[in-house]
Formats: sequence, structure tokens, C-alpha cells
Amino acid sequence: DTAVSQTPKYLVTQMGNDKSIKCEQNLGHDTMYWYKQDSKKFLKIMFSYNNKELIINETVPNRFSPKSPDKAHLNLHINSLELGDSAVYFCASSQGQLAGDQETQYFGPGTRLLVL
Amino acid sequence: GQNIDQPTEMTATEGAIVQINCTYQTSGFNGLFWYQQHAGEAPTFLSYNVLDGLEEKGRFSSFLSRSKGYSYLLLKELQMKDSASYLCAVLDSNYQLIWGAGTKLIIKP
Repeated sequence: DTAVSQTPKYLVTQMGNDKSIKCEQNLGHDTMYWYKQDSKKFLKIMFSYNNKELIINETVPNRFSPKSPDKAHLNLHINSLELGDSAVYFCASSQGQLAGDQETQYFGPGTRLLVL
Repeated sequence: GQNIDQPTEMTATEGAIVQINCTYQTSGFNGLFWYQQHAGEAPTFLSYNVLDGLEEKGRFSSFLSRSKGYSYLLLKELQMKDSASYLCAVLDSNYQLIWGAGTKLIIKP
């Protein structure tokens, strides 16, 4: 059973297109995250949702819009894709109970986005 | 500002011991995590420290000194499969996880 799953695993698209990445967790966690990891391998937080509500929204272009239909899902929609959006996007989840080790994050397998 | 420093890359020999250091300056502290990330894969949880001292988990141990803003991950009896990046991350006062850039560990036979 996959704890945190993402689709698609690979996404190759043209500049200017709109695309979505889906994420689901079956861990019963309250908090979900989107990260971007670029070619330098730095893991950068983009968004965080707790029980479907946005709690972290880092400096990210508004072309990126997260949507959480329920606490088990957090999808990422990207409009007008640019070359610089090419990266690996990771979804993660945590219990989110504001208690140390319960903030342990569990990651999905990643979506490798290549914008041509 | 918040800052986490760890070496960019380290090399060690199979069967040896390696220590990966992490220093941090954050607004508050609610614990420090170590994650392992193999090339092309997702980060996976290794350890969590919130109190000073050493936590041992098999071949891996993690140490924390809160007064020094310092942690290390100790890997013993290195195996080729330990070649990966090791990410240090600190939970700040707002329970936000601040990530280091990671240390790429190369194991040579």
C-alpha cells in the first residue's frame, strides 16, 4: 500500500501549457505539502495545507495554485508553464499535530516535470 | 534569518565510519530531523532529535546539542547503498520545517 502517491511520475510539456499534478495520502494525516527540488537538489517548500486550509504559501508565482478537495488530497495546478518550472515536485504529508516527531514528513515519489 | 549549514559533499570508504555535521540558526527549535535521499528518489525519514544527546538506530546515530545549534549524523560500517544525499531539517517555533541543502555522500569500495 502506497502511503503518499503522486501522478504523473513524469511530465513533459511545452512552454505556455497548463498542467496538474495530483497527490493522495492514505496515512490519515492532517497536513500536506508541496515541495520543488531543482537541479541543485535544494528542497524548497511551496505550500502547506492543514485540514484543507492553506497554512504556508511561500513566495511562489501565482501561476501555481494548490487545491485540497479533502484532507487526503492536495493537487497542484500550474498555468502558463515556463522553462524555469522544470524540476522535481514532491508531495508530502505529516500528522500535523504540532508535536515534534508528529511533524515527520512522508514524501511521495515525486513528479519530474520537464518544460520544453 | 534562518539558516542551516551542512557540507555539500563527502567521500568515505566502504566499511568505514562517517560523520555528517549540521549547524543551524533558526527562530525557535522544536526538533531536528535527518532524511536520506537516494538519487532519483524521494527523501525518507531517518531520525528525529529534540533533546541533547545521541540517539542510536542500528548503523545510524544522530546527535544533538541545542546550546551549540549543532547536530551530526553518524554512519557506521558503511555500505555502498549508503551513497545518497543526507538532509538536515529543523522544526522552528512555528512548526515549519527549515531544510538544509543536503550533503551528498559518496562511498568508495
